[in-house]
Amino acid sequence: GPKVLQIPSHQIIDMGQMVTLNCDPVSNHLYFYWYKQILGQQMEFLVNFYNGKVMEKSKLFKDQFSVERPDGSYFTLKIQPTALEDSAVYFCASSLRSQNTLYFGAGTRLSVL
Amino acid sequence: QQQVRQSPQSLTVWEGETAILNCSYENSAFDYFPWYQQFPGEGPALLIAIRSVSDKKEDGRFTIFFNKREKKLSLHITDSQPGDSATYFCAASGNAGAKLTFGGGTRLTVRP
Repeated sequence: GPKVLQIPSHQIIDMGQMVTLNCDPVSNHLYFYWYKQILGQQMEFLVNFYNGKVMEKSKLFKDQFSVERPDGSYFTLKIQPTALEDSAVYFCASSLRSQNTLYFGAGTRLSVL
Repeated sequence: QQQVRQSPQSLTVWEGETAILNCSYENSAFDYFPWYQQFPGEGPALLIAIRSVSDKKEDGRFTIFFNKREKKLSLHITDSQPGDSATYFCAASGNAGAKLTFGGGTRLTVRP
């Protein structure tokens, strides 16, 4: 089936540094999402993105977070600066249309030390 | 405040048995309920989904039973196989878009 690729699979950084998580969505998909999962807890919606704009974001999407997809390349989640509580697995997803099935990547495990 | 709840957190069945995974929700505006299957090290993958106009959806060994009045649904996996061992997430969304609200997951183990 369609594949969403996330790079890297694991990222370790020091608190206060900037980190960029990369997502290569399914090629013809138009809607993009980030979800956050803290170990042992449920996956929670962060943000969705369409046509170059944030459509909706949750309260977890702090001011330190930003998303973009420059020139149709990777869909990125940037955190600047990072905090200890940002340690989690971040899942990227994409869909063709807003009502369609979401396809998820394997996640990037972010460890903030 | 959890809008989507799953039970049990973990479930062990023997090969060939039926596994029953439960899900409940609070938001009456939810009308689309997908179940995702996740294996370790992988992202969640859509397994089967139901819309609130239906009370049952079947796909091979996987069946969703939906009770709109009680805001409950369940996933039945008949003739469970060891390869079904995974974490299953119930999710929900409303008409407004595909933003999914996930439950906490049920970790299923099928023993041979």
